[in-house]
Order: sequence, then C-alpha cells, then structure tokens
Amino acid sequence: AQSVAQPEDQVNVAEGNPLTVKCTYSVSGNPYLFWYVQYPNRGLQFLLKYITGDNLVKGSYGFEAEFNKSQTSFHLKKPSALVSDSALYFCAVRDHTNAGKSTFGDGTTLTVKP
Amino acid sequence: GAGVSQSPSNKVTEKGKDVELRCDPISGHTALYWYRQSLGQGLEFLIYFQGNSAPDKSGLPSDRFSAERTGGSVSTLTIQRTQQEDSAVYLCASTYGGISNEQFFGPGTRLTVL
Repeated sequence: AQSVAQPEDQVNVAEGNPLTVKCTYSVSGNPYLFWYVQYPNRGLQFLLKYITGDNLVKGSYGFEAEFNKSQTSFHLKKPSALVSDSALYFCAVRDHTNAGKSTFGDGTTLTVKP
Repeated sequence: GAGVSQSPSNKVTEKGKDVELRCDPISGHTALYWYRQSLGQGLEFLIYFQGNSAPDKSGLPSDRFSAERTGGSVSTLTIQRTQQEDSAVYLCASTYGGISNEQFFGPGTRLTVL
C-alpha cells in the first residue's frame, strides 16, 4: 500500500523568508511524486513532479522540491515567500506498480504574512 | 484548450435522495479520477478509470456510490440514498498518457445533504 504524510497542518512564514512544506511517503516500488496547490475558491493546480533523474526539481511560481530516497521525503521549498503563495498544498504519490492510483496527503495550509 | 469541467457546481439535496455528478475530462485524456474533499480534510480517492480497463473502485466508501464512464470520455458519479456524511466537494481529474503525468483537476461539485 502507498501512503503520504504531511506532518504539518499549518505553516506560517513571513514574506521574503524561505519556506518549506514537508512531505514523506511510503510505496513498495519506485515513486512518482507530485505537489499540487489549491488557492482559495479555486481548483487544484499542478506545481511540480519527480519522476526520475535529478533529485532537485523545479516547478511553477519559483517552487522547487528535493527528492530524498533514503529519507523517503519530497519537501516543497521556495527561497523567498510571497503573500500570494498563501494556499493549501498537497503532496501526492503514485507507485509505478499500482497502475496509476494516486494517494494524496491531508494538505498543509501555508500562510505568508506581510 | 478547455480544462476539466464539472456540473453542477453546487448541489443541495435532501437526505435519502439520489444525486448524479458529471465530469467532462480534457479531450484525449485517457485516465479519469474521482476524489472527495471534506471540509478540512485531504483528498479521498474514490474511483479511477484508465482507457478500456476495468475501473479501480477500491476507494468507493459504500455500495451507494457508483460511477461510469461512457465512450472513454464523460463520467458520472452517482450517490444513492444520500446521507449527511456525503456532504463534501467532489473533484474530478484527468490525465493524458502514462502514470508519470500530472492530473488536471476540475473545479469540483459542492454537495450538501440536508
């Protein structure tokens, strides 16, 4: 079975500071990892993904994430947070042996204060 | 091009009534997913269609829930004899190609069972 954990329900940072939203996963095979963002009153949007290759992946809006196989983590990061980054962030995993079924974390609410 | 669309955007029904929720995926997308997002909760996987293969129904919470996908395109999620605990936002997503590809989400249908 595959699973995803986002240990923090809420992350608060000041504008201009770096931000990290944590995600750990568990799969039986090689993972495909995704981050999605949900802005207030809007649908989920894809941010970035790790499939294979370079452990550091870059995505939309200046976000990046680092795949760490030994720690089974895929933390989302941004060097300098913006107030407009305030949203609900979801990590998701797909096991290449599980025919495409995706498992999402419970989400982390990011609040960036001016 | 057009994104994933869902209808209705909002549905209010009385306990015990049946409801049908519709999803129009992006044209050409072979995979279609249904999720449920309850207030303050993450995304709960419901069902997954991939091409002409048998759907993965492992996430359906009870036999009151069913879904079909006609012609490899439009999908309908049906909830029979609705209960108050069925109140949630129902999200549809579609994907093109292989399982390493990201999902494109619709705006959701907010279901309220009185």
